[in-house]
Amino acid sequence: AQSVTQLGSHVSVSEGALVLLRCNYSSSVPPYLFWYVQYPNQGLQLLLKYTTGATLVKGINGFEAEFKKSETSFHLTKPSAHMSDAAEYFCAVVAAGNKLTFGGGTRVLVKP
Amino acid sequence: ETGVTQTPRHLVMGMTNKKSLKCEQHLGHNAMYWYKQSAKKPLELMFVYSLEERVENNSVPSRFSPECPNSSHLFLHLHTLQPEDSALYLCASSQVRGIINTEAFFGQGTRLTVV
Repeated sequence: AQSVTQLGSHVSVSEGALVLLRCNYSSSVPPYLFWYVQYPNQGLQLLLKYTTGATLVKGINGFEAEFKKSETSFHLTKPSAHMSDAAEYFCAVVAAGNKLTFGGGTRVLVKP
Repeated sequence: ETGVTQTPRHLVMGMTNKKSLKCEQHLGHNAMYWYKQSAKKPLELMFVYSLEERVENNSVPSRFSPECPNSSHLFLHLHTLQPEDSALYLCASSQVRGIINTEAFFGQGTRLTVV
């Protein structure tokens, strides 16, 4: 079985400040991990993914995430928030033999 | 066109109407999905088709009826819906290789309002 927990359903950051979105997963086998972004009334867009290899992965729009097996975490960061980063972000996990499982989402508000 | 395309983008229907949502993927994927996204609720996986065969049906009411005529097309037929069925309906596709499932690519969604 696998599951995903995103800490904080809402996060507020100031423009130019660090964005940190937390994701913890559980999986009985090595997982693939993903972050998606969703803008209002849009579908989900893949930001980045971890499959194998380097544990720090870079994605679009300046985001990156680090896979930490010992902490079962895959937190998403961006050094400097931009107004256009206001959206909802979803962490997801898939492991062999399982379907893609999403976390509950974190809505990001960027203050000027 | 590339990616996953959903039509219509917006739909308003009465409770006695019958309508269909359409999804088309141009990525050569072999699995397609319907998700329901309601306000303040997690994404709900409704149906999964892999190689055109329905492999998952997550206790969805029978007023929702999926159809997958080929690996590129997916439909969701709607009839006698309830107001609580109003939501954003998302279609997605992915490539499944054996037991390994890759990331899903999503369409823009259909915003459904039942009146």
